Order: sequence, then C-alpha cells, then structure tokens
Amino acid sequence: SFELTQPLSVSVALEQTARITCGGNNIGSKIVHWYQQRPGQAPVVVLYRDNNRPSGIPERFSGSNSGNTATLTISRAQAGDEADYYCQVWANSTAGIFGGGTKLTVL
Amino acid sequence: EVQLVESGGGLVQPGGSLRLSCAASGFTFSSYAMTWVRQAPGKGLEWVSGISGGGGGTYYADSVKGRFTISRDNSKNTLYLQMNSLRGEDTAVYYCAKNLGWNDGFDPWGQGTLVTVSS
Repeated sequence: SFELTQPLSVSVALEQTARITCGGNNIGSKIVHWYQQRPGQAPVVVLYRDNNRPSGIPERFSGSNSGNTATLTISRAQAGDEADYYCQVWANSTAGIFGGGTKLTVL
Repeated sequence: EVQLVESGGGLVQPGGSLRLSCAASGFTFSSYAMTWVRQAPGKGLEWVSGISGGGGGTYYADSVKGRFTISRDNSKNTLYLQMNSLRGEDTAVYYCAKNLGWNDGFDPWGQGTLVTVSS
C-alpha cells in the first residue's frame, strides 16, 4: 500500500524558511495537498493541488512536488505558523492517504 | 460561508453502534463529494470514507470496511457515517470535510465530534 513519510518535527528560527517534506514512491506523479492543524482545532488546507493557496493563506506558503518528495515551504516563518502539518494524496481513486504529520516549532 | 457541523459523537461500548451526522450549509451540497477523516487522541489524521455528490459512489479505508457505512441525504444537506461493531481503536475525533473535487483536497472541515469506545 502507498505510504507517505514526514519528519516528526521541524524547527525554524523566526523569520527564516521552514521546509517540511513528504516522501512517497514516485509521489511526483500524484497531486499533493497540505493541511495545517493548530492545537485543539480542525485542520485547514494551506496548499491544494501541489502549489495552490486558498484565499486567506499567505504567499509565504508554497509547495513543490517531484520524484519521491513533495515539500511545503514556509518563508519568513511566524510564531502563528506553529502547528502540525499533514500532506495528503489519493493512493488510488478510492483511497485517501495522509502523511504521519510534522510538528513545526518556530524558535 | 461554507459551514460543516458534526454531531452524534459520544461514549459507546465495544461492539456498539453510533451514527454521526454532518450538516452542511453555504454551498450546493449535492455537487460535491464529501469525506470523513478521524484523528485518534494524540495521533495523526486518518482518511475513513468518501462519497460522491450523488451518493452512488462510496469508498472506505480497510480499517473500517464492512463496519462503517457512509451515506448522504441531499434533500437535507446532511452527510452521515453509520458505525457498527465499534472497537477501542475507533476512538477518535471524527471530522467531515467537503472535497474540492473528486480525488482532490478537503476544504473546509467541520469542528469534529468525539467518539469514545470503552466499557
């Protein structure tokens, strides 16, 4: 079965760039979505279809997807970006898959 | 404004049943596939089930197949998840979410409803 691998945690200094990876076999052939979940809240999509931002999501959030790795990049990280981040794909047309999640800490 | 409001969670004994509901508003409900996602305490997100806009297509994670049934009533703008033969590992917050498109991302999500399976 298709699996997505994310680092458990990523730390970034305030105003620096954070990169959160999502690994999977030939994930570049799939469409990746990214979600942010703050403590005690429901997830919110921050990027959909690899690199599209919903309204209200800052331009600081961007994404890439190639080969075996998709990456969520957060530029000029802010304290408010601290959250858990999950990648998601469709393993086939009938089964959704989430990565294990990455806790982002802004120092 | 698109809104999703889950209800129906609670405490149930192992082997028991529960039906979750998700009331939708602010969009043409029948035009969108819908999804259930759950999150066990302190754990990550797990896709549970999806249903097409018309209700004719339904899909399940292996972990719930044969025990859970997803359905929708487009006249009531409501999504359901019937959960039978519940186990301790089904304990989680259950979220409903609107699909952006078929095989697409999920936006928005409801606030979630907690299901606890315990004796």
